[in-house]
Amino acid sequence: SQTIHQWPATLVQPVGSPLSLECTVEGTSNPNLYWYRQAAGRGLQLLFYSVGIGQISSEVPQNLSASRPQDRQFILSSKKLLLSDSGFYLCAWSVSMPGEQYFGPGTRLTVT
Amino acid sequence: DAKTTQPNSMESNEEEPVHLPCNHSTISGTDYIHWYRQLPSQGPEYVIHGLTSNVNNRMASLAIAEDRKSSTLILHRATLRDAAVYYCILRDVPNSGYALNFGKGTSLLVTP
Repeated sequence: SQTIHQWPATLVQPVGSPLSLECTVEGTSNPNLYWYRQAAGRGLQLLFYSVGIGQISSEVPQNLSASRPQDRQFILSSKKLLLSDSGFYLCAWSVSMPGEQYFGPGTRLTVT
Repeated sequence: DAKTTQPNSMESNEEEPVHLPCNHSTISGTDYIHWYRQLPSQGPEYVIHGLTSNVNNRMASLAIAEDRKSSTLILHRATLRDAAVYYCILRDVPNSGYALNFGKGTSLLVTP
């Protein structure tokens, strides 16, 4: 069966510090991968999606970036965090695009 | 994706059936009806989807109106674990973008 991992589960970072969140999927090949963010009291916002290694599409311009160095690994990064980057970051995968998406446990980021 | 309308909140007693409504009067012929739910502090979870016919799976049933302008997610016996925000989402399979538009959903409270 397929499993999706995200780490860390929680993170507190000061403004201006770098960020690296990692997501890995097990049990499937060539998944479509997604990064979402949910700010407090708001809906989910798609940040990035990827249909293959090295292929990244951005939905919303921001100071975040994403990379996919391996088929089942998706990384979300920032060089300098802003207060507005606080939120619940979710990684998801799907077999088809579009199709049902399966979400990881999430990383709760607080920028202080 | 076409717009959906859901009640902000609903309440149910444990072990009773729950009917969660969703209106989608502007649905197009190629829109699939998807349901996700999000438990507190967790990522969203895929529940069920359908196009025209009613659908059943181990989690729930989806009843779709004959004119497809509304649908109902049915939880046959609510448990405390079913307390979550339920999202009804329309997905135009040939033409959809990659984001899932979660909207505000229905917050389901289950009481013992």
